[in-house]
Amino acid sequence: DQQVKQNSPSLSVQEGRISILNCDYTNSMFDYFLWYKKYPAEGPTFLISISSIKDKNEDGRFTVFLNKSAKHLSLHIVPSQPGDSAVYFCAASANSGYALNFGKGTSLLVTP
Amino acid sequence: GAGVSQTPSNKVTEKGKYVELRCDPISGHTALYWYRQSLGQGPEFLIYFQGTGAADDSGLPNDRFFAVRPEGSVSTLKIQRTERGDSAVYLCASSLTRRSYNEQFFGPGTRLTVL
Repeated sequence: DQQVKQNSPSLSVQEGRISILNCDYTNSMFDYFLWYKKYPAEGPTFLISISSIKDKNEDGRFTVFLNKSAKHLSLHIVPSQPGDSAVYFCAASANSGYALNFGKGTSLLVTP
Repeated sequence: GAGVSQTPSNKVTEKGKYVELRCDPISGHTALYWYRQSLGQGPEFLIYFQGTGAADDSGLPNDRFFAVRPEGSVSTLKIQRTERGDSAVYLCASSLTRRSYNEQFFGPGTRLTVL
């Protein structure tokens, strides 16, 4: 069963606009959440993370929001750039542990 | 510095054959993980090593899969009697420690195709 869900397989955004990628989870034991970015033929690269004790974490153009009551998190990219075009994976772990549970990914295309 | 490396980058084999996939983690990283990414899916956890021992192998799909890390650095994932359903990208990752806030650094993966 998929415990981390990314319901949008793809998203297209114009350069300079905001990209919002969404993620839902079902396991209430998850307490640490991460976003990874993946280019073709490369491994996933860590982007940003958030602990369940926070509701927002910001790093430059990237912000992750966590809504624990809704079991929902989102990644905001502002402003979006063509180089952001990649597949974005949402991941979660329980008990601040090691095994990451990944969603299926959302393919983001940022057009000039 | 060097990242996580995996060899081979591609492996094509026939059903029933044995394969070995190698992972070289980042130097100094004590934790090592294997994941499998099937087409259209996200990476799926297989096994975690802390040092030389397999601390958690609960993600291995069956007893045809086995992994070792004899000296606490390089790891080998071994698959016996391969099946077509084993076709996937096998990803290795390492981190400084086992805690998830020590981000996991992924290698480029080995694409395994079982004909």
